[in-house]
Amino acid sequence: GENVEQHPSTLSVQEGDSAVIKCTYSDSASNYFPWYKQELGKRPQLIIDIRSNVGEKKDQRIAVTLNKTAKHFSLHITETQPEDSAVYFCAAKNYGQNFVFGPGTRLSVLP
Amino acid sequence: EAGVVQSPRYKIIEKKQPVAFWCNPISGHNTLYWYLQNLGQGPELLIRYENEEAVDDSQLPKDRFSAERLKGVDSTLKIQPAELGDSAVYLCASSLRNSETQYFGPGTRLLVL
Repeated sequence: GENVEQHPSTLSVQEGDSAVIKCTYSDSASNYFPWYKQELGKRPQLIIDIRSNVGEKKDQRIAVTLNKTAKHFSLHITETQPEDSAVYFCAAKNYGQNFVFGPGTRLSVLP
Repeated sequence: EAGVVQSPRYKIIEKKQPVAFWCNPISGHNTLYWYLQNLGQGPELLIRYENEEAVDDSQLPKDRFSAERLKGVDSTLKIQPAELGDSAVYLCASSLRNSETQYFGPGTRLLVL
């Protein structure tokens, strides 16, 4: 079955700097890769996603890149703000199958 | 439009007691998921429903966990009897059939003493 790894487990950046979180997956058939943000005590919320027919997707300060050959995808947050502090989860999914989540990255943006 | 609703939000019980969680998905969403989230970890699937059919319950510990979605809308997840290791957040999520975008509920935080 699918296995998703995520690094780093914790990340601290200064406000205004960029943050990058990387995930690797094992099943080459996976074709959908979402990223979720979970603030303390709240529900995970989808922030961006990418499908396997696209190499990069951007939404304002957030971008995701996908390397199908290497089976990894990354979340990029630019101009970080304190409200970006949260736990970020990546996931991988094949059509008709279940989501498999990474273990999460705790991002702290220091003012 | 209301999002995924879960209740209760918090539950404290003693070990060996039963407990039940309820989920109301977004209106029209055929697919419903129950996840277990341990502290500091990502959600892990327990069961997935397509309408009233459990299409994947391979990760559900069936000796003590059960779930139902009788009319293909609301769902209930039950643990009987609860163990100390069941302390976690139980998340419900829903999506439209064949859609990859899933929406999570706020979760039920369970503490077993």
